[in-house]
Amino acid sequence: QVQLVESGGGLVKPGGSLRLSCAASGFTFSDYYMSWIRQAPGKGLEWVSYITNSGSTIYYADSVKGRFTISRDNAKNSLYLQMNSLRAEDTAVYYCAVPGGYWGQGTLVTVSS
Amino acid sequence: EIVLTQSPGTLSLSPGERATLSCRASQSVSSNSLAWYQQKPGQAPRLLIYGTSSRATGIPDRFSGSGSGTDFTLTISRLEPEDFAVYYCQQCGRLPYTFGQGTKLEIK
Repeated sequence: QVQLVESGGGLVKPGGSLRLSCAASGFTFSDYYMSWIRQAPGKGLEWVSYITNSGSTIYYADSVKGRFTISRDNAKNSLYLQMNSLRAEDTAVYYCAVPGGYWGQGTLVTVSS
Repeated sequence: EIVLTQSPGTLSLSPGERATLSCRASQSVSSNSLAWYQQKPGQAPRLLIYGTSSRATGIPDRFSGSGSGTDFTLTISRLEPEDFAVYYCQQCGRLPYTFGQGTKLEIK
């Protein structure tokens, strides 16, 4: 069955960097576009970024544009989110998702001094 | 950007009652691009409805979706205790994909 497992979250100081990973299994990863979605504590869902199956087309929410970079390695069935210049407002649970409504369990990123 | 506005913000009902949740879009949304999710505390969202009215795998038939253009509705015909949660609509037809702010369905 479809499984998505995020990792790489943690506590980081403002201005710092983190790289999130999402390991995919149970489907042909290279056939599907992928997304990152986040949820700040006690808040709603915010779509963050999107990458097509080949990686040729990428979109970002305005709130992260210029600071976050999405990428994928189809040979490793993995999705990544490089997060630089982190701010307190980036504190959230980050989910990876594939079309069909499959989401991972999320990884918590906390930006605090 | 397509803004989705959900109403009401909180809905207080009793088990066995009917729930009607609304999602209004700032621009027309393709019917095959509107989805509904359910989220319980500490869990990832679960897909309930996709393409406006198609139930996802394993979703009970008490959940139904309808609508077109800018107005969409999620209906739960008879509330079960496990249905009390937060519900989000999402459009995935035009980037950036956007979510509504959520409707909290609470026990009265």
